Amino acid sequence: EVHLVESGGGLVQPGRSLRLSCTASGFTFDDYAMHWVRLAPGKGLEWVSSISWNTGRILYADSVKGRFTISRDNAKNSLYLQMNSLRAEDTALYYCTKDEVAVANAGSRFVYWGQGTLVTVSS
Amino acid sequence: SYVLAQPPSVSVAPGKTARITCGGNNIGSESVCWYQQKPGQAPALVIYFDSDRPSGIPERFSGSNSGNTATLTISRVEAGDEADYYCQLWDSSSDHLVFGGGTKLTVL
Repeated sequence: EVHLVESGGGLVQPGRSLRLSCTASGFTFDDYAMHWVRLAPGKGLEWVSSISWNTGRILYADSVKGRFTISRDNAKNSLYLQMNSLRAEDTALYYCTKDEVAVANAGSRFVYWGQGTLVTVSS
Repeated sequence: SYVLAQPPSVSVAPGKTARITCGGNNIGSESVCWYQQKPGQAPALVIYFDSDRPSGIPERFSGSNSGNTATLTISRVEAGDEADYYCQLWDSSSDHLVFGGGTKLTVL
């Protein structure tokens, strides 16, 4: 059974940093692309970033490009999101999701999601 | 980048048919997914590749995609279908994954 468990969320001041982690189990982690998707209060789902199976293709939403860094450690079945220069508008529930393809493309879809980790950016 | 337009809300009586639209420029040439999200839960994939259903999703859920509109149709709506629904596609011109703004389905 596939499990995705996020951690690392919390309350942080604007301008500070936070690192999210996602531990995966129940599937061959290094066969699939992975993504971060967030849900801000009162807003809709927003794709944040994706990383291919071998880290060869890394993509970011315009809203986080230059501030967030996605990475993965296939030996540890783990996905990460380093978030720097955080802003109030980054406040959201951050989901780790497993793609059904190895490299994000038109076939990308998310059957499996974690339960999310809450990031609150406030002074 | 690519914009997907969804109505903020749709209301339907139990037992009737709900149709939720997702508008986008020539969206019919893209592959669209649909997700259902209930309060306090992670999203659940209900349609992929425009009209395919993942295992475990009832046949009451169906999808279509043509021209500038993709549509999620829920037949014989039940109270348990009340949720937020999002369309999603991959925008190859920007290399971004895009979600629609979401539609809140209310079962009267």
